[in-house]
Amino acid sequence: LAKTTQPISMDSYEGQEVNITCSHNNIATNDYITWYQQFPSQGPRFIIQGYKTKVTNEVASLFIPADRKSSTLSLPRVSLSDTAVYYCLVGDMSGANNLFFGTGTRLTVIP
Amino acid sequence: ETGVTQTPRHLVMGMTNKKSLKCEQHLGHNAMYWYKQSAKKPLELMFVYNFKEQTENNSVPSRFSPECPNSSHLFLHLHTLQPEDSALYLCASSQNPARSETQYFGPGTRLLVL
Repeated sequence: LAKTTQPISMDSYEGQEVNITCSHNNIATNDYITWYQQFPSQGPRFIIQGYKTKVTNEVASLFIPADRKSSTLSLPRVSLSDTAVYYCLVGDMSGANNLFFGTGTRLTVIP
Repeated sequence: ETGVTQTPRHLVMGMTNKKSLKCEQHLGHNAMYWYKQSAKKPLELMFVYNFKEQTENNSVPSRFSPECPNSSHLFLHLHTLQPEDSALYLCASSQNPARSETQYFGPGTRLLVL
């Protein structure tokens, strides 16, 4: 089962682009990479998912290199409301066993 | 709107009480989950249900008893809890029970055990 490693915390100023990297050295062929965002006292919210190369939606971009051993969530021009914990998950369609969110990365956006 | 609702949003109970948490999803999903999130700790998966059948029980103490009468409703029955059980309890659903499936979370129930 692929384990993920993320920085514990990051700070950024408003308006900057933020890149959060997740390492998953043991990622399996069928695994997808999914990112969630969680505000205090709320449930996590899906941000983006990808398998390889680059995925972009209205909220973020996800960059996945060819070896897929890491992925980078990119948040363009962050605002104070982007202050949250960001989780990286790796897994396939085979089941929900060992579903593990990890500690995530606490992003603090500074005015 | 996540389409997943939880009640109550806040609950205070004594160690001898019995209470139940309720979760309802309006998304037509087949899988539902209970998570526990203690202060400054990662989300812990407690139970997984697929088409009303429990597929995962991550070594959760028997004082937590889940019930899934249909694929839209999920309950967590609580009895003789301990103060260390105080946490945010989150319900989620997904189309199917898989790590790669997008999960939709409810707002959670903030539980305080005295």
